Amino acid sequence: ETGVTQTPRHLVMGMTNKKSLKCEQHLGHNAMYWYKQSAKKPLELMFVYNFKEQTENNSVPSRFSPECPNSSHLFLHLHTLQPEDSALYLCASSQEGGRADGEQFFGPGTRLTVL
Amino acid sequence: DAKTTQPTSMDCAEGRAANLPCNHSTISGNEYVYWYRQIHSQGPQYIIHGLKNNETNEMASLIITEDRKSSTLILPHATLRDTAVYYCIVRATTDSWGKLQFGAGTQVVVTP
Repeated sequence: ETGVTQTPRHLVMGMTNKKSLKCEQHLGHNAMYWYKQSAKKPLELMFVYNFKEQTENNSVPSRFSPECPNSSHLFLHLHTLQPEDSALYLCASSQEGGRADGEQFFGPGTRLTVL
Repeated sequence: DAKTTQPTSMDCAEGRAANLPCNHSTISGNEYVYWYRQIHSQGPQYIIHGLKNNETNEMASLIITEDRKSSTLILPHATLRDTAVYYCIVRATTDSWGKLQFGAGTQVVVTP
């Protein structure tokens, strides 16, 4: 148990649907992240939030919309996705600004399939 | 542009030590070496990190060469549960808010 939970674990959606992925961290960390992992490709950082403020957006299409209402919760809102967006979406958290910099704790991921 | 290079895959016998190499010849003085692993269909897991000195924890040991251009992750007694993709990552201490750049990693298969 890593202290980072993600729901749902699996999601199948059509291209016209709107859905949201949820991430919650129970570790008291100050930074949260969304990553995308497509088949046979390395993890790609999508968004970074620190203290609820977005500090990184790695040229992610606007059909992915993150939301961080507080330092423990992170959402990824999805709308009008494409089949190539099918991937494993991973959430992570970390405590930045101290000796443990760089130690990120990952959730189990949401396996997304877009039909 | 990858900052690290790792072998694509390697096999290891159960119970033996697994030595995973990583080259980071362009590493800067303020960059740490991090190791993560990812078991199939799970999120990555932090293993260890270091700057100059060798490091050891309950999971593994990290040996960094004196010139810091390469390092080796050592799993002292590999088990079947250590089968995973292992990522070697360099990250500057001045990088804001935990940006980690994952590469392709090394697929390690531990066999009975």
